[in-house]
Amino acid sequence: GAVVSQHPSWVICKSGTSVKIECRSLDFQATTMFWYRQFPKQSLMLMATSNEGSKATYEQGVEKDKFLINHASLTLSTLTVTSAHPEDSSFYICSARDLGTGSGELFFGEGSRLTVL
Amino acid sequence: GENVEQHPSTLSVQEGDSAVIKCTYSDSASNYFPWYKQELGKRPQLIIDIRSNVGEKKDQRIAVTLNKTAKHFSLHITETQPEDSAVYFCAASPNLEYGNKLVFGAGTILRVKS
Repeated sequence: GAVVSQHPSWVICKSGTSVKIECRSLDFQATTMFWYRQFPKQSLMLMATSNEGSKATYEQGVEKDKFLINHASLTLSTLTVTSAHPEDSSFYICSARDLGTGSGELFFGEGSRLTVL
Repeated sequence: GENVEQHPSTLSVQEGDSAVIKCTYSDSASNYFPWYKQELGKRPQLIIDIRSNVGEKKDQRIAVTLNKTAKHFSLHITETQPEDSAVYFCAASPNLEYGNKLVFGAGTILRVKS
């Protein structure tokens, strides 16, 4: 199947700093990628839809100025958590569909575990 | 928007028994219903999916049924094994176009006791 790669897989940062997470589709092009956040023992909550070459679409309640999304190419989307605070600590997962397969399956990255001290 | 409810939240079964997880959705426009398995600390992996033009799909020990009228779909795992222990998520989405997002259920923790 298609491969979505995420980096870094885990990061620890100090409160007030910014952290950038990269999501790449390795063997297909994705005009749209999705960013999810998952707290321990909870479901995947969609944060935003990343659109190549245009602004991201944020879900209700997600601060667009705090979670900056950039989708500059057909294979790369980045999520920057600005001025991180301990409550931002979570598992962030990106995903993308490879419609070339015809299945429409959503492929997930490995996830990035953010811990804000 | 779409709302997906999933039950039960936890499920314990004896090895060899069957496990059933049920989901309901609210948006009649949804027509794609995948099931994902997630092991601790890992990415979700698609195990089976169904589209609204069929009522049932089976893949070895795993099957999914869909009732579009009632807006519910279920995951059936037969002959459960310890390695089936994980968190299972159902999801719903309208169409399969790039921009259509997937809405997930709350998840079910499945424990298979040997």
